[in-house]
Amino acid sequence: GENVEQHPSTLSVQEGDSAVIKCTYSDSASNYFPWYKQELGKGPQLIIDIRSNVGEKKDQRIAVTLNKTAKHFSLHITETQPEDSAVYFCAASRRTSGTYKYIFGTGTRLKVLA
Amino acid sequence: NAGVMQNPRHLVRRRGQEARLRCSPMKGHSHVYWYRQLPEEGLKFMVYLQKENIIDESGMPKERFSAEFPKEGPSILRIQQVVRGDSAAYFCASSPQGVATNEKLFFGSGTQLSVL
Repeated sequence: GENVEQHPSTLSVQEGDSAVIKCTYSDSASNYFPWYKQELGKGPQLIIDIRSNVGEKKDQRIAVTLNKTAKHFSLHITETQPEDSAVYFCAASRRTSGTYKYIFGTGTRLKVLA
Repeated sequence: NAGVMQNPRHLVRRRGQEARLRCSPMKGHSHVYWYRQLPEEGLKFMVYLQKENIIDESGMPKERFSAEFPKEGPSILRIQQVVRGDSAAYFCASSPQGVATNEKLFFGSGTQLSVL
């Protein structure tokens, strides 16, 4: 069935370094790829998204890249800060029956060490 | 503009009791989704509703679980005769009306259900 694989499951980086999280999806009809940040005890918050007609999108220290051919997309966080520590989820989504069906990755726990 | 509101934040039930989780979507949103999250795991889709209609319940267990989104009031996820395996965080998300923008999901803070 449809599936999204996310790696790594945990990631520790020194403050100021970059962090990269990668996802692979199986459904070639997916055309919308959001990333969510979940802090402890809170719900996931949308931080950036990309559509399949775009290869890269950047928002300050966060960027997302998409390779449709390989069905890969990645989240890049530069100049990491302690407040970036959280669990990050990727998702692949496509329109079906009047709505968007989301498949989430299993999450990456990012720890930024001061 | 308030976000997605879920209550209660924490719910404790004994085995065999009923659990009712409530979700009020963001203002102007008419699509509601329920997800379940087990510790150290991702978000698993349960059900998608629009006002007075269940659109997709393919992720919801066939027994003991039900969901509704009435014309007036919040969406309700109901779990009857809870078992310990139902213990999890349940998240509600909503999305706006409209073909061009309805792909963005906005999540609530979740309800942590603990079954004793």
